[in-house]
Amino acid sequence: NAGVMQNPRHLVRRRGQEARLRCSPMKGHSHVYWYRQLPEEGLKFMVYLQKENIIDESGMPKERFSAEFPKEGPSILRIQQVVRGDSAAYFCASSLMDVFGGTEAFFGQGTRLTVV
Amino acid sequence: KQEVTQIPAALSVPEGENLVLNCSFTDSAIYNLQWFRQDPGKGLTSLLLIQSSQREQTSGRLNASLDKSSGRSTLYIAASQPGDSATYLCAVSRESGGGADGLTFGKGTHLIIQP
Repeated sequence: NAGVMQNPRHLVRRRGQEARLRCSPMKGHSHVYWYRQLPEEGLKFMVYLQKENIIDESGMPKERFSAEFPKEGPSILRIQQVVRGDSAAYFCASSLMDVFGGTEAFFGQGTRLTVV
Repeated sequence: KQEVTQIPAALSVPEGENLVLNCSFTDSAIYNLQWFRQDPGKGLTSLLLIQSSQREQTSGRLNASLDKSSGRSTLYIAASQPGDSATYLCAVSRESGGGADGLTFGKGTHLIIQP
């Protein structure tokens, strides 16, 4: 089991470009969560997805950010028209059941986005 | 709104000491509490998961306790080693049925073990 895989590990984008971050959950996991870690800040929840469904996106900015978890393939976090303030580490986690049922969350290595 | 606080923010101790990291949370309606380790520029490694019905969990030199009613958890590290140097994060999950806002994290304790 390769664990939660995120790519790319590092991503540099110019202001106004689009950023696409990918996350493949652990084998057998159908629950995916995205978190953002700003410099000197704790991790903040962004969005919770199950296959083909967004369960909760209450932590995700309303504009420019979107997430999907298709039936086939990885989960994608998409940031359109990036700005400097989007520079952060973005972490994906997966779990066998939802974390609210008491199951453990496993995290990927993260994607470090730098907007120049 | 759940808030998680970790004290101290940073800690530097000589190798071999036993140490305690503290975590407190404002809303005791949690389902579980998880301790993670984060190395610089790396992802999070899960260390221990304590269900709300449990009082403690142990893994090797690590022991985590949970006092749900008072909103506190401690992570005890015995016989610390330089390889333990990392940032330790505490996170709580909300009780089910009230919404799906994932894990709420503290800002972490940055630990340095001096050789």
